[in-house]
Amino acid sequence: NAGVTQTPKFQVLKTGQSMTLQCAQDMNHEYMSWYRQDPGMGLRLIHYSVGAGITDQGEVPNGYNVSRSTTEDFPLRLLSAAPSQTSVYFCASRESGGFGEQFFGPGTRLTVL
Amino acid sequence: EDKVVQSPLSLVVHEGDTVTLNCSYEVTNFRSLLWYKQEKKAPTFLFMLTSSGIEKKSGRLSSILDKKELFSILNITATQTGDSAVYLCAVPRRGSSNTGKLIFGQGTTLQVKP
Repeated sequence: NAGVTQTPKFQVLKTGQSMTLQCAQDMNHEYMSWYRQDPGMGLRLIHYSVGAGITDQGEVPNGYNVSRSTTEDFPLRLLSAAPSQTSVYFCASRESGGFGEQFFGPGTRLTVL
Repeated sequence: EDKVVQSPLSLVVHEGDTVTLNCSYEVTNFRSLLWYKQEKKAPTFLFMLTSSGIEKKSGRLSSILDKKELFSILNITATQTGDSAVYLCAVPRRGSSNTGKLIFGQGTTLQVKP
C-alpha cells in the first residue's frame, strides 16, 4: 500500500491564482480530511469527508473547496490564492468506526506571493 | 469550547535525559486521545488512549491518560537525538464520533542535544 499520497510536494503561486492540491489513499478509508499547519497554530481542519459524495466544513474552510467523487481521492481547491494561505497542507484518512489513528500524507508546502 | 493544550511548548534536553510532555483537554463526549510525532514531514502515530490509568508503551516511549483530571502525559526515557521532533496531542471533536475531526494541541517541540 502506498498509504496517503499528496501532490505536489511544493508549490509557489501568485495572489489570485487557483490550483488543486491532490490527495489519494489506497486503504479504502471512508474518512478523509484536509489540515493546514502554520507555526504556533498546530493543525487546523479545513474540510473533511465521511464518504464519497459527502463533504463538510472544518474550522477554517474559507477560500477552499473540496469534492469527493471517489473513495480514493479528495482534492482541495484554492479558488483565488491569498498570501494568508501560505502554509503546509496535510491530507489524512482513517477507516470507519472507532476513534483511532489518522494516517497523514507527506504534505504540500504552498507559498503564495 | 473544545480545546487541547500542550505544555511545555518547547524543551531542550541532553541525550540520556528523561522527558515528560503534557496534554490537557476539554472535550465533551470524550472518546480517545492520540499522540503523534512529527519530524520534518507528516505526523506519525504513536499512541491512542481510551482508558484511564492504563499505560501504553512502545520502547522508550510511554503514555498514560487520566480521564478524571483530563490530561495525558507522554514520557520518553533515555532520550536520543532521533527523538527530536514536535509531539502532537489530539482529541476527536465533540459530535464527531466517526468523522475523523481532530482537535490538535499546539505541539511540544523537543530538541535532544548530543
